[in-house]
Amino acid sequence: AQSVTQLGSHVSVSEGALVLLRCNYSSSVPPYLFWYVQYPNQGLQLLLKYTSAATLVKGINGFEAEFKKSETSFHLTKPSAHMSDAAEYFCAVSDQAGTALIFGKGTTLSVSS
Amino acid sequence: DTAVSQTPKYLVTQMGNDKSIKCEQNLGHDTMYWYKQDSKKFLKIMFSYNNKELIINETVPNRFSPKSPDKAHLNLHINSLELGDSAVYFCASSQEGSPTEAFFGQGTRLTVV
Repeated sequence: AQSVTQLGSHVSVSEGALVLLRCNYSSSVPPYLFWYVQYPNQGLQLLLKYTSAATLVKGINGFEAEFKKSETSFHLTKPSAHMSDAAEYFCAVSDQAGTALIFGKGTTLSVSS
Repeated sequence: DTAVSQTPKYLVTQMGNDKSIKCEQNLGHDTMYWYKQDSKKFLKIMFSYNNKELIINETVPNRFSPKSPDKAHLNLHINSLELGDSAVYFCASSQEGSPTEAFFGQGTRLTVV
């Protein structure tokens, strides 16, 4: 069965520092992987997705993620954090039937000035 | 123009009541979903539905039922509400054939007292 594990429920960085949010996946088939962001009291917004094309995926707001099959990872990075990046981030994998998303437990990103 | 809209945004009700949450999408998608986000922010699929098939997560109580009057709407009916039903409910939609990249509504915060 498909699953994702997000390492670290809370990550704190300073403004301008590197952001690294970790996600490992388990999948019995080639996975489709996603990162979503949720700002307070809002819905989820897609940051980026991996669909078996390029292993380095660029998303919105300067985020990117690299698919590493050997490590079963899909970590999210951003070179320089902004205060506006503070939010909840979810890694997700498409279920085997391709009918729904299976989410990780989320990582809260805090950015301090 | 809101792509996926839900009403109401907040819903406070007493135990035992029956309530509905409405969802509409104007993206022309043919698959819609309901997800539940609990107090720990964990997101879990409840239903996925297109004009061919309703897929129910087996852990969802049968007090919950999706109803789709047409392709652009998927409403969620909940009977005999319980305290444990308190959560944020998200509607989402996607295009069949895409790798389940979903567009989410803003969520409905349901509080059962």
